[in-house]
Amino acid sequence: EPEVTQTPSHQVTQMGQEVILRCVPISNHLYFYWYRQILGQKVEFLVSFYNNEISEKSEIFDDQFSVERPDGSNFTLKIRSTKLEDSAMYFCASESAQGRIKGYEQYFGPGTRLTVT
Amino acid sequence: AQSVTQLGSHVSVSEGALVLLRCNYSSSVPPYLFWYVQYPNQGLQLLLKYTTGATLVKGINGFEAEFKKSETSFHLTKPSAHMSDAAEYFCAVRLNDMRFGAGTRLTVKP
Repeated sequence: EPEVTQTPSHQVTQMGQEVILRCVPISNHLYFYWYRQILGQKVEFLVSFYNNEISEKSEIFDDQFSVERPDGSNFTLKIRSTKLEDSAMYFCASESAQGRIKGYEQYFGPGTRLTVT
Repeated sequence: AQSVTQLGSHVSVSEGALVLLRCNYSSSVPPYLFWYVQYPNQGLQLLLKYTTGATLVKGINGFEAEFKKSETSFHLTKPSAHMSDAAEYFCAVRLNDMRFGAGTRLTVKP
């Protein structure tokens, strides 16, 4: 069964450094999302992406964040200058056009644990 | 704007007992509703969803949930808990983007 994959599974970085989290969505999906989950807290929406542009973003998704679909398969989240409070699990999700019609089912990747020291 | 409230951050049941995880939503229009499960160190797995039609929705692993519009609820139940059900459960509501509840950690005692 197709699945969303994410790399790396765990990334440790120093405060102020740039990080890029990578996701490979399911191949025929058209809608892409990033979420984060700070340890012990709920999953929070960051951004949605469709047709090579951001369709929605939350208040968390400030100028330090950016997303890109550099080729036909990858979907990336970049944090330009990491802060301690960026430490969290970051989940990528994707969704097909048919999925939207059927009921908006998003498929989640296993997550990348980002630790900022 | 839509939001989700999960009552009880931690629920503990005995193996074989009924599981009831509560979820109430707030939405200006009928939303799509979801339950996801998260096992330790893993991602989110869809248990079940409500879109339209039958208000009692059956999902994987014996779970089901009932959409009650009058109560704005979407509680998750399972008649008989199994040790393998121990996990974090998230209720979510969607109009445009997905909004998750704070989660309920289910512990199953032998």
